[in-house]
Amino acid sequence: RKEVEQDPGPFNVPEGATVAFNCTYSNSASQSFFWYRQDCRKEPKLLMSVYSSGNEDGRFTAQLNRASQYISLLIRDSKLSDSATYLCVVTSGGSNYKLTFGKGTLLTVNP
Amino acid sequence: GAVVSQHPSRVICKSGTSVKIECRSLDFQATTMFWYRQFPKKSLMLMATSNEGSKATYEQGVEKDKFLINHASLTLSTLTVTSAHPEDSSFYICSARRRVGNQPQHFGDGTRLSIL
Repeated sequence: RKEVEQDPGPFNVPEGATVAFNCTYSNSASQSFFWYRQDCRKEPKLLMSVYSSGNEDGRFTAQLNRASQYISLLIRDSKLSDSATYLCVVTSGGSNYKLTFGKGTLLTVNP
Repeated sequence: GAVVSQHPSRVICKSGTSVKIECRSLDFQATTMFWYRQFPKKSLMLMATSNEGSKATYEQGVEKDKFLINHASLTLSTLTVTSAHPEDSSFYICSARRRVGNQPQHFGDGTRLSIL
């Protein structure tokens, strides 16, 4: 089983749509959780950290369920500029800084 | 603005050439830097963890003699791909973690390596 698994995608949605990304992780010892976005042929950029209490940043909402080892990202009122690959990232093993990336889910927002 | 600078951004060279990639933290000290590789449509895969003043820790399956890492200062780590071959063509990305605090890693903008 892969350490971090995401929806394979791709997702194609119209502007204004709500889109949800799902992610599961296998290592129960993982400590920190993040969503990154990666534009084509670019480096990944931190979108937001994910906390057990859930957190929101504008149109973006992230949730973490430690019991089921599940992470989600919700994007509301999607914009053309949201088109990117969304990467689910967890810290692996006992280290609190070694990142393990999911394969990513490609989102294309259409006009 | 960018806090981690990676250079060069693009390299095209002949098989057998050694290629050096630099990763610099611009406005902070990074005791730990990380080197990743990403093949097309694949996940970023950690290659090695580079600690200032000590030997790098390589992930399983990554040849340390092939991918030489030097972390000579708190702001600079280099990755040298020795005797590169076409199968080494990939997107190489470094990241740096601040010396203090628990912030996530800051990524360089990557180096696209093409070996002919």
